[in-house]
Amino acid sequence: DSGVTQTPKHLITATGQRVTLRCSPRSGDLSVYWYQQSLDQGLQFLIQYYNGEERAKGNILERFSAQQFPDLHSELNLSSLELGDSALYFCASSPRMDTQYFGPGTRLTVL
Amino acid sequence: AQSVTQLDSQVPVFEEAPVELRCNYSSSVSVYLFWYVQYPNQGLQLLLKYLSGSTLVKGINGFEAEFNKSQTSFHLRKPSVHISDTAEYFCAVMSRVTGGGNKLTFGTGTQLKVEL
Repeated sequence: DSGVTQTPKHLITATGQRVTLRCSPRSGDLSVYWYQQSLDQGLQFLIQYYNGEERAKGNILERFSAQQFPDLHSELNLSSLELGDSALYFCASSPRMDTQYFGPGTRLTVL
Repeated sequence: AQSVTQLDSQVPVFEEAPVELRCNYSSSVSVYLFWYVQYPNQGLQLLLKYLSGSTLVKGINGFEAEFNKSQTSFHLRKPSVHISDTAEYFCAVMSRVTGGGNKLTFGTGTQLKVEL
């Protein structure tokens, strides 16, 4: 158990819908990262927040957005969902700018 | 941009045999390197990391890796594998990003299958 929690564990929705994935970092970690894991793209970095501020952006679609709240939990919002958005979404947290600890992931299925 | 190459997509090995999972990276600056393991239907667990110092890094579950700057490699080894080591293994390199952040770039993964 890494100490990073993610909810929900599974999410099934339809194309065109909007969903929110939630992540609680390890106690004391200020950095939160989001990654997407899919069969065709592998593990891809989406976005990083540090103490509430966006710090790095990767291959994140414009339909996706994220935020980190004052209590340091983070949410990833995915809208206008397409079949190709089906994937495992991981959150990771880090106490410093080095080691990232991953949560168990949210499996999103878009039908 | 930094990249990671895992040369083997699948590695079958018999129980109690040694194994090496290969990883090469491309980077023009100093690097932080990581190996993560993913068991079926689970998240990524950190096996070991190289940040600086000794080039031989020991991790959990008896795994170790050697950082080789001249060959830009960070191969993962275990002298004797167990059935429970069956999993997918990911090599990753950390890079700084404009704006003061950082990110991990992952390889495509190596599926280790341990057979009796």
